[in-house]
Amino acid sequence: EVQLVESGGGLVQPGGSLRLSCAVSGFPFSRYWMSWVRQAPGKGLEWVANINQDGSEKNYVDSVKGRFTISRDSAENSLVLEMNSLRAEDTAVYYCARDRGSLRFDCWGQGTLVTVSS
Amino acid sequence: QSALTQPASVSGSPGQSITISCTATSSDVGSYNLVSWYQQHPGKAPRLMIYEVSKRPSGISNRFSGSRSGNTASLTISGLQAEDEADYYCCSYAGSLVVFGGGTKLTVL
Repeated sequence: EVQLVESGGGLVQPGGSLRLSCAVSGFPFSRYWMSWVRQAPGKGLEWVANINQDGSEKNYVDSVKGRFTISRDSAENSLVLEMNSLRAEDTAVYYCARDRGSLRFDCWGQGTLVTVSS
Repeated sequence: QSALTQPASVSGSPGQSITISCTATSSDVGSYNLVSWYQQHPGKAPRLMIYEVSKRPSGISNRFSGSRSGNTASLTISGLQAEDEADYYCCSYAGSLVVFGGGTKLTVL
């Protein structure tokens, strides 16, 4: 069974840092692009970042460039999002998603909530 | 403002058909053959319904169909059912980046 399980969310002060993880099982992790997608409370989906199969290509939405870093550990079958200089507007549920190509995000985790507040 | 514009809400009665549009408003939203659609129920993760404009993943009802005309992609749901009530998002590329539409809330009356 394909599973994606996010962890690491929580309450953090503005300017703080947080590390999100997505543990993957049930499929060959190293064969797929992976993405992080977030959803602010009561708002729509926003793509955050993606990474290719070997980690050599990464893309970010403009609002997180220079603050967030996506990475992957194929040995651990995990996807990571390092978030620094957090702002109130980063408050959201963060989902990891498998990308089968052609914008086919066919598997999603349950999400982890990040709250940036003083 | 998203480079993909969707109506905020649509509604229909059980058994009817509805269509949700997704219009590319930015000139850098290219390769409009790469459009996917996601369904999201409250408190749940999104679910892939359509990819590459009109293809259905396995397990998705043929009541869901996708199409494109010019810079507007559309999701049509026929034979509306109560469980179709959800938020729907289109998704495409803007350059090398991924963009989602603002989302459409479907209400089944």
